[in-house]
Amino acid sequence: AQTVTQSQPEMSVQEAETVTLSCTYDTSESDYYLFWYKQPPSRQMILVIRQEAYKQQNATENRFSVNFQKAAKSFSLKISDSQLGDAAMYFCAYRSAGTGNQFYFGTGTSLTVIP
Amino acid sequence: GAGVSQTPSNKVTEKGKYVELRCDPISGHTALYWYRQSLGQGPEFLIYFQGTGAADDSGLPNDRFFAVRPEGSVSTLKIQRTERGDSAVYLCASSLRIAGGPTDTQYFGPGTRLTVL
Repeated sequence: AQTVTQSQPEMSVQEAETVTLSCTYDTSESDYYLFWYKQPPSRQMILVIRQEAYKQQNATENRFSVNFQKAAKSFSLKISDSQLGDAAMYFCAYRSAGTGNQFYFGTGTSLTVIP
Repeated sequence: GAGVSQTPSNKVTEKGKYVELRCDPISGHTALYWYRQSLGQGPEFLIYFQGTGAADDSGLPNDRFFAVRPEGSVSTLKIQRTERGDSAVYLCASSLRIAGGPTDTQYFGPGTRLTVL
């Protein structure tokens, strides 16, 4: 089974600054998808950004961007111009592109934004 | 509806009791997933449905757990003879299809927090 590792249980960032959350994964597959989800105290998981493994270009969504290093099996999330509303748990997730559609999630990183 | 909804939002039960957790997916989404999230952990896959059938139930921990989706929309997760270790947040997600680029993006509900005393 695939494993996803988030080695930073907690991170903090000053408002308006930039922070990077780390994620590594282990897989023998060549085609897959990677995701970052945000989970605020309301518990609802919100999709932040998605990356297809076959795409070399790093995905970006407004203030959120990823650094996808396929050979290193690394998928970090960069949040620029951090806002108070960015405070939440962030989960990295892996999904195979083949049969079997389940997500494998990391253990999460709790992000605090300091005003 | 506008998003995935789950009821109840919180459920407290006693050890040994039977519980049902309900998920209403986004209208038109054919795929539906159940996850369990224990305290301090990421969600763990339980089961997913494509239409009415369970396409993969490999994540169900034992035979006390069962899920149905009789009409291909609403799903119910059923837990028999609950144990204290079943206490967790149970998340439901739906996607338009199971594969095919952006159509497989999973949208999550707010979860049901189950507490077994």
